[in-house]
Amino acid sequence: DIVLTQSPDSLAVSLGERATINCKSSQSVLSRFYNKSSLAWYQQKPGQPPKLLIYWASIRESGVPDRFSGSGSGTEFTLTINSLQAEDVAVYYCQQYYNTPSLTFGGGTKVEIK
Amino acid sequence: QVHLVQSGSEVKKPGASVKVSCKASGYSFTSYGITWVRQAPGQGLEWMGWISVYNGNTKYAQNVQGRVSLTTDISTSSVHLELRSLGSDDSAVYYCARVFGDFAKVDYWGQGTLVTVSS
Repeated sequence: DIVLTQSPDSLAVSLGERATINCKSSQSVLSRFYNKSSLAWYQQKPGQPPKLLIYWASIRESGVPDRFSGSGSGTEFTLTINSLQAEDVAVYYCQQYYNTPSLTFGGGTKVEIK
Repeated sequence: QVHLVQSGSEVKKPGASVKVSCKASGYSFTSYGITWVRQAPGQGLEWMGWISVYNGNTKYAQNVQGRVSLTTDISTSSVHLELRSLGSDDSAVYYCARVFGDFAKVDYWGQGTLVTVSS
């Protein structure tokens, strides 16, 4: 089974500053068929379901602010939130869909305001 | 407008079964699969299983295999999750979510159903 390890577990960032979250996969999630990495990022606020932010490692979902960006390939991935806003306080999860239909989530990273 | 509406909270005794429903609207029901994810209190997200609404194919997570069943009811655009032999560690919020063929986008989620297992 593919294991996704996120770091850090939590981070506190000042408003307007950058937040960087890492996700490392135990094996490559690069899809040979699509030639893209099968990795997504989700945001979850308390009491709400997760919200899709990024898929194929770097494609922003429609309606997601452009301060959110994803990068990486193979086994190492990053979610960057530029100019952190108060409404970005949440837990962020990476998720792989390489071994579909099975999905795996990272452990989550809690983002707070410093 | 796409909506996934789940059934209400449940309280069950250990060893019992629970059935959670997910009713879809606003899109072509048979064109997407439905995946289920649960979240224990204060914990992360755990994938439980998937069903192809188109042909009924299923795939379950190993740790619930044998205790879980996913079914569809095309007439009501609903998917049902049944979990049997409940234990305290099955207490969680259960989410259904829509997923397209390549699984790249789990884009619409139900509101969640809280299942509490307690004697």
